Amino acid sequence: GAGVSQSPRYKVAKRGQDVALRCDPISGHVSLFWYQQALGQGPEFLTYFQNEAQLDKSGLPSDRFFAERPEGSVSTLKIQRTQQEDSAVYLCASSRGEGRGQPQHFGDGTRLSIL
Amino acid sequence: QQPVQSPQAVILREGEDAVINCSSSKALYSVHWYRQKHGEAPVFLMILLKGGEQKGHDKISASFNEKKQQSSLYLTASQLSYSGTYFCGTVNFGNEKLTFGTGTRLTIIP
Repeated sequence: GAGVSQSPRYKVAKRGQDVALRCDPISGHVSLFWYQQALGQGPEFLTYFQNEAQLDKSGLPSDRFFAERPEGSVSTLKIQRTQQEDSAVYLCASSRGEGRGQPQHFGDGTRLSIL
Repeated sequence: QQPVQSPQAVILREGEDAVINCSSSKALYSVHWYRQKHGEAPVFLMILLKGGEQKGHDKISASFNEKKQQSSLYLTASQLSYSGTYFCGTVNFGNEKLTFGTGTRLTIIP
């Protein structure tokens, strides 16, 4: 596609429910990143994939957070047993090659609200 | 550790210049600059890969001082469209993780 596509744009869930957020990166982009952005803050790194391999998951806040990219394209970020502190915008970004030397292109994000 | 940006916020009249600084406590492989408008995704501006490298396009340019572990973003003859929050993002040697700075909110008034 022309850009990084994320769905849904908005998600409201009750505390304790599981949610799944989808990211469709730019076609051909090898690297995919997930970030969490709280209101008024900068994005914070969650996890990084190169193709289907998850090379860094050091930013995932707890074992309730799980991400996958099984075929090296679309990725899903899953949050189990959601808590109110999980409320944030979740951003996905992709880049052509290795992340450190390439621009990252961001999707519009999923705004998650936990009631 | 999160890079520190200064100033935290700046208000300019259209046509004025601004400098935004980004400072890291760790050695840097690359520095990325992004602009984010309220409710929108961060938009890539430029990336600097080498110490001393300077890049620019249009009226926005940036420099990277590898020894000081600092980068600066220069906005000249600012336009209303430059308003937004500017983030630097740094990548350290040995990993791919982009760590965003504390952000600088830029407001341009007519």
